[in-house]
Amino acid sequence: EIVLTQSPGTLSLSPGERATLSCRASQSVTNNFLAWYQQKPGQAPRLLIYGASSRATGIPDRFSGSGSGTDFTLTISRLEPEDFAVYYCQQYDRSPTWTFGQGTKVDIK
Amino acid sequence: EVQLVQSGAEVKKPGESLKISCKGSGYSFTSYWIGWVRQMPGKGLEWMGVIHPGDSDTRYSPSFQGQVTISVDKSISTAYLQWTSLKASDTAMYYCGRLPHWYFDLWGRGTLITVSS
Repeated sequence: EIVLTQSPGTLSLSPGERATLSCRASQSVTNNFLAWYQQKPGQAPRLLIYGASSRATGIPDRFSGSGSGTDFTLTISRLEPEDFAVYYCQQYDRSPTWTFGQGTKVDIK
Repeated sequence: EVQLVQSGAEVKKPGESLKISCKGSGYSFTSYWIGWVRQMPGKGLEWMGVIHPGDSDTRYSPSFQGQVTISVDKSISTAYLQWTSLKASDTAMYYCGRLPHWYFDLWGRGTLITVSS
């Protein structure tokens, strides 16, 4: 099973700042089969990025994904008030042992 | 509107059985896998398993194999997650989602299951 480790656990930033979230895999994720989700309190997760760098439909371009192999990054170029949430990465390389990271909380400084 | 509608919250006692549902609409239900994800209180997301509505091909995460059963009735565009004997540790929010590949592009709002004596 591929274990995903997200860092930091919590990121405290102000609106307008840049957020950089990391997701490290215990083994190489082939074909960049990695997705990112946003979850706000009391809501279901929402897909942001798939294939490591492809934005999902309707996702603003301030969200971008990058990386390959074992190291992946989600960047939010300028934080908007609605971006404060928990973010999860997920690998979908190995059926059926797909896994999520433990999450990074982005909160207001 | 493309959506997944999940059944309502449940409060059950340990040892009871339960089946929750996830109904798809606004898209070709048999063209996409449906998956289930658990989120325990204050915790992260955990894959449980997936099912293909077209042929009922089902795959379970090793952590949930034997603990739950995933099924589907394609005639009514509905997937199910069921337990035969609930435990207090099954208390959680359960989400269903649509998978165009092996990631979720559409989520239900979740079903909260509370198991308490």
